[in-house]
Amino acid sequence: EIVLTQSPATLSLSPGERATLSCRASQNVGSFLAWYQHKPGQAPRLLIYDTSNRATGIPARFSGSGSGTDFTLTISSLEPEDFAVYYCHQRSSWYTFGQGTKLEIK
Amino acid sequence: QVQLVQSGAEVKKPGASVKVSCKASGYTFSNYAIHWVRQAPGQRLEWMGWINTGNGDTKYSQNFQGSLTITRDTSASTAYMELRSLNSGDTAVYYCARLNGVYFDPWGQGTQVTVSS
Repeated sequence: EIVLTQSPATLSLSPGERATLSCRASQNVGSFLAWYQHKPGQAPRLLIYDTSNRATGIPARFSGSGSGTDFTLTISSLEPEDFAVYYCHQRSSWYTFGQGTKLEIK
Repeated sequence: QVQLVQSGAEVKKPGASVKVSCKASGYTFSNYAIHWVRQAPGQRLEWMGWINTGNGDTKYSQNFQGSLTITRDTSASTAYMELRSLNSGDTAVYYCARLNGVYFDPWGQGTQVTVSS
C-alpha cells in the first residue's frame, strides 16, 4: 500500500499570506496525485488532479506541483474561505489518502 | 448541478449491519462509478470499494472483504453501502463519491455511523 505523508500537520497563517502544503509518497506515484479541501460538515471538494490541473471552478490561487514522490499544494494568497483541512490522494495503486493538513487562521 | 445526497446518521449496536444510501442527481447515473470512503475519528480517509453503476460489478478493499456489499438501483439513481458485523472500529463518517474520470468528484455530504452498545 502506498502511504502518503503530509506536512505540516497544522499550518497557521493569516489571510493574504502564501500557504505551502507538502505530500510525500512512500512509492513513486508518477503524476497521479490529487488534492481535496474539506470543511467541517461538508463534502470534500476536488481542487487539483494529476498533480497540477485545477478542477472545474477552482480559483487560480490554488496550484499544484511535483512528481514521483514529492508534491506541493500552494495557495498564493489566502482568502478567509480557504481555512480548512487539505488531503492529498493517489490513484497510482488503488486509492490512498494523506492524513491531512489543517490550515488555520493565525 | 451534479450532486450526491446521502442518507442520515445511524446508531447501531455491535454485531449489527448498516446500509447507507447515496442518491445521485444532475447526471446520467449509470455512466459513472460510485466509490465509498470512510473516515474514523482521528484517522485518515480510507477507501472501501466501488461499483460500476452500469453493470453492477464491484471491487472491495481487502480490509472489507466479507463484510462490505455495495449495490445500486439504476431506476432510483442510488447506490448503497452495507457493512455487516459492526464493531466500535466502524464508527466513522461514510462518504460516497463519483469517479469523475479518475478522481472523486463530487462527494456526498457524509453519513455518521456510530457503533455503540
